[in-house]
Formats: sequence, structure tokens, C-alpha cells
Amino acid sequence: NAGVTQTPKFRVLKTGQSMTLLCAQDMNHEYMYWYRQDPGMGLRLIHYSVGEGTTAKGEVPDGYNVSRLKKQNFLLGLESAAPSQTSVYFCASNARGRAYGYTFGSGTRLTVV
Amino acid sequence: AQRVTQPEKLLSVFKGAPVELKCNYSYSGSPELFWYVQYSRQRLQLLLRHISRESIKGFTADLNKGETSFHLKKPFAQEEDSAMYYCALSGGETSGSRLTFGEGTQLTVNP
Repeated sequence: NAGVTQTPKFRVLKTGQSMTLLCAQDMNHEYMYWYRQDPGMGLRLIHYSVGEGTTAKGEVPDGYNVSRLKKQNFLLGLESAAPSQTSVYFCASNARGRAYGYTFGSGTRLTVV
Repeated sequence: AQRVTQPEKLLSVFKGAPVELKCNYSYSGSPELFWYVQYSRQRLQLLLRHISRESIKGFTADLNKGETSFHLKKPFAQEEDSAMYYCALSGGETSGSRLTFGEGTQLTVNP
């Protein structure tokens, strides 16, 4: 049982490049989330999804897009990377009605130069 | 709007000393409060939640609605407690069970 798997684990991008981060969960969770972690700012919610085919904006959605075409996958896209998007990105999933049931991925460390 | 504040970014104590990590929140409804921990090079994991009123690894946290606080306490800190601790708040099912995190407190327990 892998839980929540994020790929890639590390990536360096040049300003203006695009990329997609993949989050996959095998727990049949309805809810999925993308957070970014920055020193002194904690974790901030970028986008989230409460079910297949649905997405919603979180606290810091600008510059990111997401898709949830399959229940088990939640993709985070950066269309034109900026240095301000240098961060560690965490994906999490959760069963409906269980806020305490968050399962986190191991994170993706992204550097934009 | 929901907000979580952890006033201490860094906290250093000696082994065996008591430790308290502060957390204050603002929320108009009835929140669910949690503490998450991130050990070095590991993913975040749930430490405890206020609903269960449990003690995990010697840590406890009491929700004080009057002071809107949810401080994390441990009477005798251990070196293995060194980690990043995040306080988090959920507004419940109506908000998609989203968690709002505080800024985090890096706890270092010295030998």
C-alpha cells in the first residue's frame, strides 16, 4: 500500500518553463490537496479537489492549474514557472468527512532559476 | 476566514525540560484543531487532534475556546521530539475538510 506518491521528487526549472507535478493515491480517497511549504510561512493551500472532475482554488492559486480526471490522480501544473514558485510542494489526500485523515506525500522540491 | 498563528518559529529546550508550543486561531464557527509533525526528511504526519483528547508520544493539547488557543505540551522533552510542528485548523466538511496551517515551530531538544 503506497499511500500518496508524488513525482518527481526534485526538479530544477528555468524561468518560463512549464511542468506538471503528479500526485497519486491508492486509498480511494475523495479529497485531494496541493500545498506549498515555504520557510516561515507554513503550508499554504494552492488548489484542492473534493471529487473526480472537480477542483477549487485554495489560498494561493495564482500561477498554478490543476486537474482531477481520475479519482486517484491530482495533477498540479505550472504553465510559466517563476522564481517565486521555488518551494516544496506537498500533496495530500483525505477520505470524505475525516479532516484528521490526511495522508501526505513525501514532497517535491522545486527550484526555479 | 480561518487563520492559525504560531508565534514561535524556533524553540530550543534541554532534554527533560517541559516544552510548550503555542498555537492561536481565529475562526467564526466550531473548528477542528490538529497538531502535525514533520521529522527530518520525512513527510508530515498527524500527531493529535482536539476531538480525541488523547496523548501521543507524551504530548497533549487542550482546546481553549475562550482564548482561541490550542497549545501543545509535553512535560519532559526527549531528543527524538526534535522536529517541525504545525498547528492546523479545519472548518469541517462544508469547506472540503481543508486544513489551514500555522507557520510552524521548529523544536530542538538539546542533550
